[in-house]
Amino acid sequence: DAGITQSPRHKVTETGTPVTLRCHQTENHRYMYWYRQDPGHGLRLIHYSYGVKDTDKGEVSDGYSVSRSKTEDFLLTLESATSSQTSVYFCAISESTHYEQYFGPGTRLTVT
Amino acid sequence: QQQVKQSPQSLIVQKGGISIINCAYENTAFDYFPWYQQFPGKGPALLIAIRPDVSEKKEGRFTISFNKSAKQFSLHIMDSQPGDSATYFCAASSSGSARQLTFGSGTQLTVLP
Repeated sequence: DAGITQSPRHKVTETGTPVTLRCHQTENHRYMYWYRQDPGHGLRLIHYSYGVKDTDKGEVSDGYSVSRSKTEDFLLTLESATSSQTSVYFCAISESTHYEQYFGPGTRLTVT
Repeated sequence: QQQVKQSPQSLIVQKGGISIINCAYENTAFDYFPWYQQFPGKGPALLIAIRPDVSEKKEGRFTISFNKSAKQFSLHIMDSQPGDSATYFCAASSSGSARQLTFGSGTQLTVLP
């Protein structure tokens, strides 16, 4: 998985609780992305980062926030989890916009 | 909204046969078209990718055919094997917005032994 780890790998949480997912890379790549995967929708971009402290919104950013204080870590936070955020979350990295994106192993999140 | 439409949703082929998955896009700014392969419980893995300056790219048993005028591209898997059974996603991106990938909805391929 191209030097990408995600934690936790599985999480069950209750509606209304905050949740933070972590993506850690050892490749020193500049770009990092958070996607969610749902049946029938493929993968959809939530947020991305193009450098430390530089982030921007993707297609489905409502209800999510991100932070990147170090090159190697990209955090995704659900401030108040809802059942509609039950999904599998994938982190991806890319060296630059001229190179491919490589995906982590994913985090399965269930909001009850 | 930028979209990439993928078909079929599922595909069953016999071992040794040809698997064909099709995608169509709307945004003419897209200039990079990767295909990803995903096994259950794993993250998507880049399989093969093409840029619109060529009409075909082949890597082993996998070939991308690209039709710029029709805004369509397809993945052909020759001599399909049971180990190819996985979900395949097409995607597209443009040079702006940090190369955000827009994905198709996926095709679940089953290759029968």
